[in-house]
Amino acid sequence: AQTVTQSQPEMSVQEAETVTLSCTYDTSESDYYLFWYKQPPSRQMILVIRQEAYKQQNATENRFSVNFQKAAKSFSLKISDSQLGDAAMYFCAYRSLYYGNNRLAFGKGNQVVVIP
Amino acid sequence: DTEVTQTPKHLVMGMTNKKSLKCEQHMGHRAMYWYKQKAKKPPELMFVYSYEKLSINESVPSRFSPECPNSSLLNLHLHALQPEDSALYLCASSQDPGTSGDHGTQYFGPGTRLTVL
Repeated sequence: AQTVTQSQPEMSVQEAETVTLSCTYDTSESDYYLFWYKQPPSRQMILVIRQEAYKQQNATENRFSVNFQKAAKSFSLKISDSQLGDAAMYFCAYRSLYYGNNRLAFGKGNQVVVIP
Repeated sequence: DTEVTQTPKHLVMGMTNKKSLKCEQHMGHRAMYWYKQKAKKPPELMFVYSYEKLSINESVPSRFSPECPNSSLLNLHLHALQPEDSALYLCASSQDPGTSGDHGTQYFGPGTRLTVL
């Protein structure tokens, strides 16, 4: 089974600054998908960004970007120009490429606090 | 549109009650999921329905009974719950991972916050 590790339970960032959340994973598969989900206090899980392992280019979505290092099995999320609305729990997740495997393996989460 | 709806938002029930949680999506997704989430923890998968058939049951106690009446609806029937079952219950849906352009990305509903007294 794949494991996903997020090692910094809580991180603080000043508004307008940049914060980077780290995620590492363990897998023997060569193709898979990686996700970052955001869960604000309202508790709805919102997809932030998705990365396909077979793509070398790092995914970006507006102020959110990832640094995907396949050999190192690392998938960090960078939040630029942090806003108060970015305060949330962020979960890194892994999903196998193989058809029929619908499971998401989640990390334990990073709590992001944005300081005005 | 990536909306998954869940009702009710909040539910308080006694240990002898029977209640149901409802989830609905109109995105044409063919896989639907139930998760249980405790505070400050990641979601834990409970059940997966694929093409309206139960494909994954993560050894969930029988006091939780899922049902998929059609491709848009997913229910979770609750009976004789325990206080430790109090949690946020999240529903999610996805395209068929084998054929979809978004690679089976799961989209979550807002959840039902359940309290068992």
